[in-house]
Amino acid sequence: DARVTQTPRDKVTEMGQEVTMRCQPILGHNTVFWYRQTMMQGLELLAYFRNRAPLDDSGMPKDRFSAEMPDATLATLKIQPSEPRDSAVYFCASGLGSGTGSHNEQFFGPGTRLTVL
Amino acid sequence: GNSVTQMEGPVTLSEEAFLTINCTYTATGYPSLFWYVQYPGEGLQLLLKATKADDKGSNKGFEATYRKETTSFHLEKGSVQVSDSAVYFCVLRRLRDDKIIFGKGTRLHILP
Repeated sequence: DARVTQTPRDKVTEMGQEVTMRCQPILGHNTVFWYRQTMMQGLELLAYFRNRAPLDDSGMPKDRFSAEMPDATLATLKIQPSEPRDSAVYFCASGLGSGTGSHNEQFFGPGTRLTVL
Repeated sequence: GNSVTQMEGPVTLSEEAFLTINCTYTATGYPSLFWYVQYPGEGLQLLLKATKADDKGSNKGFEATYRKETTSFHLEKGSVQVSDSAVYFCVLRRLRDDKIIFGKGTRLHILP
């Protein structure tokens, strides 16, 4: 049963520290999405990739956030320096992009719960 | 631009009641439409989908029909259960660049 995996599941850190969240998309999927969910803002799209290339990261604060895909099996989201307002659950999702004949659904990981003190 | 608007919650119903959660969208072209569900403490999972006009998606007793003439994709269920309590997201996916647009989510509470 193929699944998207995310590590760590929970992270507590202090303000100013660097945070790295990792995502392993489902093998063969060529699109990867990063989302942030908070009670106040709901679900926000931060960035997404197709074939490892960033297509849109307009939802991401550029000064402190960065998203990369070093290879097809790993996506990373980094925050440096972290701030208390970054506390949220961060979800990764993967899927097959358009033109592949798929129905384009996304498969979500379990999320990383980040708390910045 | 592209957007998804769904009814605000929370929606509270008694068990076995009929459910409708409205969703309308604006988009160019022919996007794919989805409903995702998020149970307490979990990630999102696909509930149902429709990829072209007049398609009906269905799963677990839920249904939604892709209506291009009204740009709607309302979620319905004839008889809800306590276990249906969750947050429901209406989602649009653009075909030309795979961009995903989420509605704000509707929290559903089902009372026994």
